[in-house]
Amino acid sequence: EIVLTQSPATLSLSPGERATLSCRASQSISNYLAWYQQKPGQAPRLLIYDTSTRAIGIPARFSGSGSGTDFTLTISGLEPEDFAVYYCHQRDNWRGTFGPGTRVDIK
Amino acid sequence: EVQLVQSGAEVRKSGESLKISCRCSGCSSTRHWIGWVRQTPEKGLEWVGIIYPPDSDTRYSPSFQGQVTISADKSINTAYLHWRGLKASDTGIYYCARLISTADFDFWGQGTQVTVSS
Repeated sequence: EIVLTQSPATLSLSPGERATLSCRASQSISNYLAWYQQKPGQAPRLLIYDTSTRAIGIPARFSGSGSGTDFTLTISGLEPEDFAVYYCHQRDNWRGTFGPGTRVDIK
Repeated sequence: EVQLVQSGAEVRKSGESLKISCRCSGCSSTRHWIGWVRQTPEKGLEWVGIIYPPDSDTRYSPSFQGQVTISADKSINTAYLHWRGLKASDTGIYYCARLISTADFDFWGQGTQVTVSS
């Protein structure tokens, strides 16, 4: 099973700042990497799939990059509604795993 | 509009059986896989498995293989998650979600809280 690790565990930033979240896979997953946002009491929401494609309705301040084993989610200027937990997800061979998450807190 | 509506919260004892459901309106029964994801405070999000309702092709995470059964009734666009012998470690919130062509989850249900006491 492919294991995903995320760093940092917590990111404390102010609104307007840039957030950079990392996800590393235990083996190459090509570009089969997605990012989800989850707020308390809500289901996760798909932000990015195939490493860099934004899902429908996702603002352009969210962008993804990477390939192979190292991936990054960047939020170019944090809005108040962006403070949440972010999970990466891989679905190699149609069996998936999630990373442990990065919490983005208000500084 | 796509909506996934899950059955309500359940409380069971260890060893009991349970079946929870997920009905998808706006899903194409011939195009969309449906998946299940568990969330717990200890382990976060865990990918349980997915099913293709037209032919019930199913894929499980190795961690859940043999522990749960995923089934579907394509005539009513509903997927199910079934346990035959619950354990306390099955406690968590179970989400169903629709898969897009890349096997990522684009629409999610509201979650079903399953609580198992030992």
